[in-house]
Amino acid sequence: AQSVTQLGSHVSVSEGALVLLRCNYSSSVPPYLFWYVQYPNQGLQLLLKYTSAATLVKGINGFEAEFKKSETSFHLTKPSAHMSDAAEYFCAVSPRGGSNYKLTFGKGTLLTVNP
Amino acid sequence: NAGVMQNPRHLVRRRGQEARLRCSPMKGHSHVYWYRQLPEEGLKFMVYLQKENIIDESGMPKERFSAEFPKEGPSILRIQQVVRGDSAAYFCASSPLTGMTEAFFGQGTRLTVV
Repeated sequence: AQSVTQLGSHVSVSEGALVLLRCNYSSSVPPYLFWYVQYPNQGLQLLLKYTSAATLVKGINGFEAEFKKSETSFHLTKPSAHMSDAAEYFCAVSPRGGSNYKLTFGKGTLLTVNP
Repeated sequence: NAGVMQNPRHLVRRRGQEARLRCSPMKGHSHVYWYRQLPEEGLKFMVYLQKENIIDESGMPKERFSAEFPKEGPSILRIQQVVRGDSAAYFCASSPLTGMTEAFFGQGTRLTVV
């Protein structure tokens, strides 16, 4: 069974500072990996996904994530935080095989950006 | 191309009533997935449907919950005799092929049971 652990349920950064949101996964084979963002009372928006090949994935709004197989990690980063980045972020995995429609989500990290 | 449309956005039901949540997939998408977000938790898979077929309902509670995706019209998630523990946000996603790599989520329906 797959699982996802997001370290830190709440991360607070200053505007302009580096954003680092951590995600570790457990899977018998490298899965597909996703980061989603959820603004208050909104749906999930895909930030980026890792499906194959390039281990450094660039997403929308200046975010990127690096797949590290040896560390079973897929941490999300952004060089400079903006106030509009304040939201909840979810890391998720799905298998590559037959059940590739089943996303397993982490519990989320709430990002606060201070002026 | 409109996104995945869910309605209503907010739904309040009294204990024992029925809740019907609708999901219209994106144009050209024939695969629909329902996920539930309980307070303070991440989303959890409930069911995967294709037109007129339930492919995988392993995440659905055994009782009171059902889902359908008819040939015409939206997918429906139905909860009978709602209880307070059913209060959650219910999200639908759709994709053109099976899998979540090309899927889009709707805005969700927030169900409150009073």
